[in-house]
Amino acid sequence: GAGVSQTPSNKVTEKGKYVELRCDPISGHTALYWYRQSLGQGPEFLIYFQGTGAADDSGLPNDRFFAVRPEGSVSTLKIQRTERGDSAVYLCASSLSGMGTDTQYFGPGTRLTVL
Amino acid sequence: DQQVKQNSPSLSVQEGRISILNCDYTNSMFDYFLWYKKYPAEGPTFLISISSIKDKNEDGRFTVFLNKSAKHLSLHIVPSQPGDSAVYFCAASEAGANNLFFGTGTRLTVIP
Repeated sequence: GAGVSQTPSNKVTEKGKYVELRCDPISGHTALYWYRQSLGQGPEFLIYFQGTGAADDSGLPNDRFFAVRPEGSVSTLKIQRTERGDSAVYLCASSLSGMGTDTQYFGPGTRLTVL
Repeated sequence: DQQVKQNSPSLSVQEGRISILNCDYTNSMFDYFLWYKKYPAEGPTFLISISSIKDKNEDGRFTVFLNKSAKHLSLHIVPSQPGDSAVYFCAASEAGANNLFFGTGTRLTVIP
């Protein structure tokens, strides 16, 4: 079956611009997560959705970052006024129910480069 | 503040031998631990997990050991195969929480 997909795979933008990153989770998975992986680091948690609602957004670094999941499936991570420090691979993951021991399945990521 | 640490950025092992990857954590609230494997240009793939009520979990060639008193876990791969060459991430979560805390990864190279 289809795994988690993310588009675009690569995004290059200029400092100050707005970007949107899309995630298509595995069909039927109610939980969706966004992580950010900077060079040489492990993935860092950003936000977790249970259905349509953001159940935990404690990892969002500041108010330039926002994410939505309006129909409980596809999610979009939105970054306003991008900065060079936002350059990273943005990973999306989904799990069946969101229970702590549920396996999180990751997509291939979107590599964001802010010039 | 890195709550999950992988102090070895890389490891090289001969094919057929045992690979041992190590991970330390500082948060005593962690109760679930996982290992993920990552190939270039792909997302991390779940490999094996262990709950804090156990000290060992085995799945084929992969075994994870947990030492709670030392706040240490390790992944053993035996026998190692060239296809195991990848970056391995240790991750942990607190009871009732959904987000994972990851280490910085260890790049394993299995030499044929």
